[in-house]
Amino acid sequence: QITLKESGPTLVKPTQTLTLTCAFSGFSLRTSGVSVGWIRQPPGKALEWLAVISWNDDKRYSPSLKRRLTITKDTSKNQVVLIMTNMDPVDTGTYFCAQSPPWKAYFDPWGQGTLVTVSA
Amino acid sequence: QSALTQPASVSGSPGQSITIPCTGINGDVGGGNNYVSWYQQHPGKAPKVIIYDVSNRPSGVSNRFSGARSGNTASLTISGLQAEDEADYHCSSYSTSDRTRVFGGGTRLTVL
Repeated sequence: QITLKESGPTLVKPTQTLTLTCAFSGFSLRTSGVSVGWIRQPPGKALEWLAVISWNDDKRYSPSLKRRLTITKDTSKNQVVLIMTNMDPVDTGTYFCAQSPPWKAYFDPWGQGTLVTVSA
Repeated sequence: QSALTQPASVSGSPGQSITIPCTGINGDVGGGNNYVSWYQQHPGKAPKVIIYDVSNRPSGVSNRFSGARSGNTASLTISGLQAEDEADYHCSSYSTSDRTRVFGGGTRLTVL
């Protein structure tokens, strides 16, 4: 069974840097074709794709957020980390991580999400 | 690639069928792209994939859900509406050129 779980601060101040961790089990990021991505959702709004990292360390970012994002993986710990700099209140929302099955373009399954609030 | 366009809301009565369109700007969806997926999201829950690669259903997903694509528009059809189908539905596209993803604005389905 594949599971993913997000963790990180629930409250950050404007201009601070957010670091989120996705801990997963049931698969390995050493497996050819596998990817893990981050997606966020402001309260009551649409999903927004942020970044994805693949088994071969290929990294892709949302063009609109690319300058603020860094995604890394630790295959020995089965973790993926997302760093977002210069946080703003508009970045408030639930942040999800999710797996892309080998050589597939969709996300399944997803973690439960973690709510991040940006406020002074 | 730019965000995909969906209607904010649709509604239908139990037993009816509804279709949710997803239009791609700059031809993301229509340019021979077969990597369109649809997600169902109930309130307070994580999204769940219900259609991938335009028209494929994952194991365990009801055959009342179907997907298609025509030109620049992908669509999700739900037949035989049930109360449990009331949820938000999100389309997503994968770009083969730069390997990025994009989501639509989401559609809230109300079962009357």
